[in-house]
Amino acid sequence: GDSVTQMEGPVTLSEEAFLTINCTYTATGYPSLFWYVQYPGEGLQLLLKATKADDKGSNKGFEATYRKETTSFHLEKGSVQVSDSAVYFCARDSGGYQKVTFGTGTKLQVIP
Amino acid sequence: DAGVIQSPRHEVTEMGQEVTLRCKPISGHNSLFWYRQTMMRGLELLIYFNNNVPIDDSGMPEDRFSAKMPNASFSTLKIQPSEPRDSAVYFCASSYSGDTFFGPGTRLTVL
Repeated sequence: GDSVTQMEGPVTLSEEAFLTINCTYTATGYPSLFWYVQYPGEGLQLLLKATKADDKGSNKGFEATYRKETTSFHLEKGSVQVSDSAVYFCARDSGGYQKVTFGTGTKLQVIP
Repeated sequence: DAGVIQSPRHEVTEMGQEVTLRCKPISGHNSLFWYRQTMMRGLELLIYFNNNVPIDDSGMPEDRFSAKMPNASFSTLKIQPSEPRDSAVYFCASSYSGDTFFGPGTRLTVL
């Protein structure tokens, strides 16, 4: 079935460091791909998305490129801030009815 | 738009009691999802509706769990009787065009 695999956390970085969180998805169909972010005590929020191969989603300095050849959608940011500390979920749509399959989440901690 | 609204935000109850969680999706969204999040199991999809009709409830853990969506603007998730292992954060989410919006969650503690 549809699944998403993302790197285990936690990831600890110093402020202004470069961030990469790896994500791969099962290659069934032509899914839309998403990154969601969850700040402490809150629900998940859509961070960015890409709907077809080679699309780049971007928001708040974060970017991810839909790579069909490697079935990947890695999240990157050039310079992280303390305020980016959160849990990041990679996801793909699966089946109809806008159902989304989520990865297990990667916790990011940014230290000053 | 107020976003997805959930109530209560926090619920503390004793084992064996009935618990009802409520959700108001974003107006115009035709899909609604109930998730449960715990440290041990992460984010689990319990059930989802499309146009108020339950589509897949295979994630509902036991018969003690039930969900309804009587109209497009309201859904409930009920646990009867509740058990300590049901303690978790329960999220409601809604979607229309593929982007899913989550509510703030209900933190349930069953003593």
